[in-house]
Amino acid sequence: QVQLQESGPGLVKPSETLSLTCTVSGYSISSGYYWGWIRQPPGKGLEWIGSIYHSGSTYYNPSLKSRVTISVDTSKNQFSLKLSSVTAADTAVYYCAVVWFGEWYNWFDPWGQGTLVTVSS
Amino acid sequence: SSELTQDPAVSVALGQTVRITCQGDSLRSYYASWYQQKPGQAPVLVIYGKNNRPSGIPDRFSGSSSGNTASLTITGAQAEDEADYYCNSRDSSGNFYVFGTGTKVTVL
Repeated sequence: QVQLQESGPGLVKPSETLSLTCTVSGYSISSGYYWGWIRQPPGKGLEWIGSIYHSGSTYYNPSLKSRVTISVDTSKNQFSLKLSSVTAADTAVYYCAVVWFGEWYNWFDPWGQGTLVTVSS
Repeated sequence: SSELTQDPAVSVALGQTVRITCQGDSLRSYYASWYQQKPGQAPVLVIYGKNNRPSGIPDRFSGSSSGNTASLTITGAQAEDEADYYCNSRDSSGNFYVFGTGTKVTVL
């Protein structure tokens, strides 16, 4: 079965770029599926950040679009998130997940365990 | 702000039935999916599509939809069902994904 694992720095300074990687096991990214990033500030709800197809097509949350880049590396079976010009408001647990969707539906499953990123000097 | 609205908290007596609702205009056109999240853990999908349960999710979880409201029902709530629950669907344009504001379920 597909398993996902997030990795990256747990502490990022304000104004710098947050970079995270999601490593996929049990499935080859190049075979298909959409892959997504979701985040959750401490004590708050979930927010979809963006999604990417194995071919590289991307879709971003309009509220974050100017700062987000999601990319895929099929040779490493990984996909990545970069969020630029971070502030304390970007402090959150960041999750990666498989995105399923059709004309009238979508869901995220499975999810990685999540990684906490704190923005602080 | 989220385009999908949920009640912040609901409580249910052990063994009774609780319905969690999610309201939003996009739900007139798109199905909602539902996630259970326990403290310190990643969300887990419990309902997707019209009313489908992933493997391993008990059949006491069910989903339904009417108009602009999607519902998750737990029939015969158990202590282990105490968690936060989030709905998810499209935004009003249908082009992006949004999550509901979340509902904390307490089992008494």
